[in-house]
This record gives sequence, C-alpha cells and structure tokens, in this order.
Amino acid sequence: QSVLTQPPSVSAAPGQKVTISCSGSSSNIGNNYVSWFQQLPGTAPKLLIYDNNKRPSGIPDRFSGSKSGTSATLDITGLQTGDEADYHCGTWDTSLSAVVFGGGTKLTVL
Amino acid sequence: EVQLVESGGGLVQPGGSLRLSCAASGFTLSSYSMNWVRQAPGKGLEWLSYISRSGSTIWYADSVKGRFTVSRDNVKNSLFLQVNSLRAEDTAMYYCAREGFCSGGTCPDYWGQGTLVTVSS
Repeated sequence: QSVLTQPPSVSAAPGQKVTISCSGSSSNIGNNYVSWFQQLPGTAPKLLIYDNNKRPSGIPDRFSGSKSGTSATLDITGLQTGDEADYHCGTWDTSLSAVVFGGGTKLTVL
Repeated sequence: EVQLVESGGGLVQPGGSLRLSCAASGFTLSSYSMNWVRQAPGKGLEWLSYISRSGSTIWYADSVKGRFTVSRDNVKNSLFLQVNSLRAEDTAMYYCAREGFCSGGTCPDYWGQGTLVTVSS
C-alpha cells in the first residue's frame, strides 16, 4: 500500500482535460512540496512538476500542478495521444523520514 | 547532456548480494544529492535511499534499512548501492536519480534508465 493515494487509472479524449489526484496526510503533502513524474511505457520516470506547481524547463504549460491541504492535483489540458503514460506523485514524509510516492495513475487517451 | 547509467543488476538467488553502480556524466556529481528508487514489475515507485553531496547524510527506507548501503565516489563520478540478503520481493528495476534543487519535498530531475534485479532460485 502506498502512503499517497492516486486513482489507478483515468481516461479522456484527445484535446480534453484530465485531472489526477494525490491524497496524503499532514505528515507528507500537508507540510511538504509535491512533485509529479511522467513515466512513458518502458521508460524511466521524468520530472513534470516540482514545488507543487513549478515546471522544469521544457515541460509544456499544458501540465500544471496545485496543492490544497493534504491533497495535490495534476491537470493536463489539450490531451495528446503521446501523453499516455503513468503519472506518479511524490513528496517527503516528515513522520517516516522518507520520500513517499503514490501508486501511480495510468492515463489513457481514448 | 546529463546522463545517469546504472549497471550491476542481474539474476541472483535469495539471500544473495549485488553491487549496483550509477555512472554520472554531463554534470558535477559532487554538486548534487542522489537517490535510489526502485519499481517492481507493474507496480509504483518505491524510494530506497538518499545520499547528500558529500555523503555525510544518508537516509534509507525502512524496507531496506540494514540490508542496503548507499555510497558515492565523487572523484569517479559514481554512485553505488550494495544490496544484501536479497528476497523475492526485491525483484525490481532499480533507478538512480539526481536530486534537483527545490524548496522541499523531493524533486529528482534526472533519472537513469534503470538496472533490473531479479531474485529467484
């Protein structure tokens, strides 16, 4: 069982918007910054969002992140077939003194 | 170009050991903290260990504490993970990841392609 909770899968049509949630607690998301990672099939994870809502260089603004309380959200607009991937959230857990991840969400672009 | 290349994985019997390596290039390893993260087949990411730039601060996940040891050689631009007393549940792809500069939490900004460890008799 992952410390952070994500939906196993989400889907939407090309061009549409999808939201992926990541739920935690006060010891992790509630008091730390959240990152999001994109993992295309058969590849290593790639940093998509850090510090809740910042994008590394080269990440399109179709990807955005937010945080409220003990939950975080990744929004992807203008969906493309190339966005089909697993998306993982992660942060530091103060109580565990460990990095924690969600179980990952598989995005299908129908 | 930043590159991280893991090696050292393979098939090992339960109770066995491996030494995983991560060769860094395209940046100064001594300027970055590093992580090891693994992913079991069809599962999510599991953080294993963190080592600070100088190696003075090291953290481990409870699941591997006492069995895994992280180290680094900044002169040789390499990161290592000694994995001992391996169990079937340690079967996974093992990634090294460079810790980026962020305000808090964790933000590994570059990942290697991974090295596969399979524990089976």
